[in-house]
Order: sequence, then structure tokens, then C-alpha cells
Amino acid sequence: AQTVTQSQPEMSVQEAETVTLSCTYDTSESNYYLFWYKQPPSRQMILVIRQEAYKQQNATENRFSVNFQKAAKSFSLKISDSQLGDTAMYFCAFMILNAGKSTFGDGTTLTVKP
Amino acid sequence: AAGVIQSPRHLIKEKRETATLKCYPIPRHDTVYWYQQGPGQDPQFLISFYEKMQSDKGSIPDRFSAQQFSDYHSELNMSSLELGDSALYFCASSSRDGANYGYTFGSGTRLTVV
Repeated sequence: AQTVTQSQPEMSVQEAETVTLSCTYDTSESNYYLFWYKQPPSRQMILVIRQEAYKQQNATENRFSVNFQKAAKSFSLKISDSQLGDTAMYFCAFMILNAGKSTFGDGTTLTVKP
Repeated sequence: AAGVIQSPRHLIKEKRETATLKCYPIPRHDTVYWYQQGPGQDPQFLISFYEKMQSDKGSIPDRFSAQQFSDYHSELNMSSLELGDSALYFCASSSRDGANYGYTFGSGTRLTVV
């Protein structure tokens, strides 16, 4: 079974600064995907970024980037130039290739302070 | 662009009553996933359907059942409701291998059992 661990229940960052959210996972699979989802106070779940395990290059989406360390089974999310609208709970998620269902971490609540 | 539509947005039921949640996937998406998110918890996979057949099953109680119809919409039926069933129920949709690219979630149905 796969497990996803987010060791930081809560974090805060000043507006315009950079913050990194941690995620580790455990799996014996070699082909899988990793995701970060954002859940703002509206409770809508929004995909932020994804990473294919077979790709060594770290994914980047505008201000969001990941540090994917496959050997260490680590998948951290870096948010640059934090904005007030980034305030949300962030979930790390794991999915075996073509499996469909995802396993989510417990989430990290991020607060961006003005 | 059309998104995943869930109805109702909010639902209040008494213990031992039944509830039906509906999910309308993005057009041309043939796979639907149901997740349950308790207060302050991460989403837990319940069940998924591909081409109107159950494709995977997670921690779905026997009191719950679900199906996918010919128009690909899905319904989650919940009977003998318990207080612990109070949660946010998400539906997500994808194409067959589209989940590899991450889910598109609906806005969720908040079920409160009193």
C-alpha cells in the first residue's frame, strides 16, 4: 500500500516571500505520478502541479515548482512570490500509473500574511 | 469551460435517513471517482467507475452504493445515515488515462447528518 506523509500541519509565510511544503511517500512501484492540490477556504480542490516519476526534470507551473527526489521519495512544493490568494490547505497526492485512484497526504494549511 | 457538476451543494439529513448525491462529469470524461473528506482530514477514496462499470473500490461502507449511468453521470446513494457520515463528498472525473494528468474535481456536496 502507498502512503503519503506531510509533516507540516501548518505553515505561514509573508506575502511576496518563498515557502516550501514537504511531502514524502512510500511505494514499491516504479511508475507513478505525484500531485499537489490546493484547497482554499471555498473547499474547491484545484490541481496545482503534477510530476511523472520517470522524469528527472522538476515540474514548474509559474510560481509553483517542485523538488522531486525519487530515491529519497520526497516531493516538496515551492511557492515563490507568495500571494494572499495562495492561502489554502495543500494536499500532496500519489497515483500509480493508470490506477486512477489517488492517495492523499494529511494536508498542510498555508497562511500567507500581508 | 464545463466543469464537474455536483448536486446538491449542501444537504442536511437526520440519522437513519437516506441521501443521494449526484455528479455530472466533464463532457467526454468516462471515468468518475468519489472521495469523502471528513472535517480537517484528507480525501479518502470511496469508489470509481469507468464506462458505467465499477473500476475500483476503496473504503466505502456497505450502506453506500453508487452507479454510473449511460450519460456518464454518477450517483452515490447513502442509506442508514450516521453522524460520522457528515463530510464533504467530492466527485472527480477524467478520461480513461486522464487521471495521470490529475483530477478535475467538482465543488463537492457538504453532507451534514443531525
